[in-house]
Amino acid sequence: KAGVTQTPRYLIKTRGQQVTLSCSPISGHRSVSWYQQTPGQGLQFLFEYFSETQRNKGNFPGRFSGRQFSNSRSEMNVSTLELGDSALYLCASSFLDAYEQYFGPGTRLTVT
Amino acid sequence: KQEVTQIPAALSVPEGENLVLNCSFTDSAIYNLQWFRQDPGKGLTSLLLIQSSQREQTSGRLNASLDKSSGRSTLYIAASQPGDSATYLCAAANRDDKIIFGKGTRLHILP
Repeated sequence: KAGVTQTPRYLIKTRGQQVTLSCSPISGHRSVSWYQQTPGQGLQFLFEYFSETQRNKGNFPGRFSGRQFSNSRSEMNVSTLELGDSALYLCASSFLDAYEQYFGPGTRLTVT
Repeated sequence: KQEVTQIPAALSVPEGENLVLNCSFTDSAIYNLQWFRQDPGKGLTSLLLIQSSQREQTSGRLNASLDKSSGRSTLYIAASQPGDSATYLCAAANRDDKIIFGKGTRLHILP
């Protein structure tokens, strides 16, 4: 069974731009969660989608948004990028929320 | 508000030794607790998941325990190998469906 895939793997953007990251969950998984990982803050929860509905949201500004499609694939969007948005963005899928999570390899975003 | 703490932040042990990694959480009303391994610049690999009704889980040389009353979980690694070098993270899934991660313990196995 294929694992969680994330595209792109690496991305360099400039301040003020916007970015869209994509996550394809394991087949059959309906829950997709997004996390931001930085050396200082560690792993922080962004949001979780289940059956196309956002079920939970972390403490991030409205510049961070996401969505989930009917095939469970998910995208997250960050608008008006700031230097502090540079991070590894990880997505995880699970069969149901709060079940065992399987992580993708992450997208490394660098904002210059 | 759930807080998850992992101490120490970094640990170095000689190859072959058994070791214990610690994870503590403030809210005992968890749904499950999961241990992950992360290699530098990579995603997380799930190691063990302990449901709230369980006391421990084992996989190969790894054993994870859960004591909800004391708010603690431990990951025991037997006969450590250089390939075990990585960052180990624990994550508590709360009953409000939020998953809170610790900041991890960076483990270095000395050959």
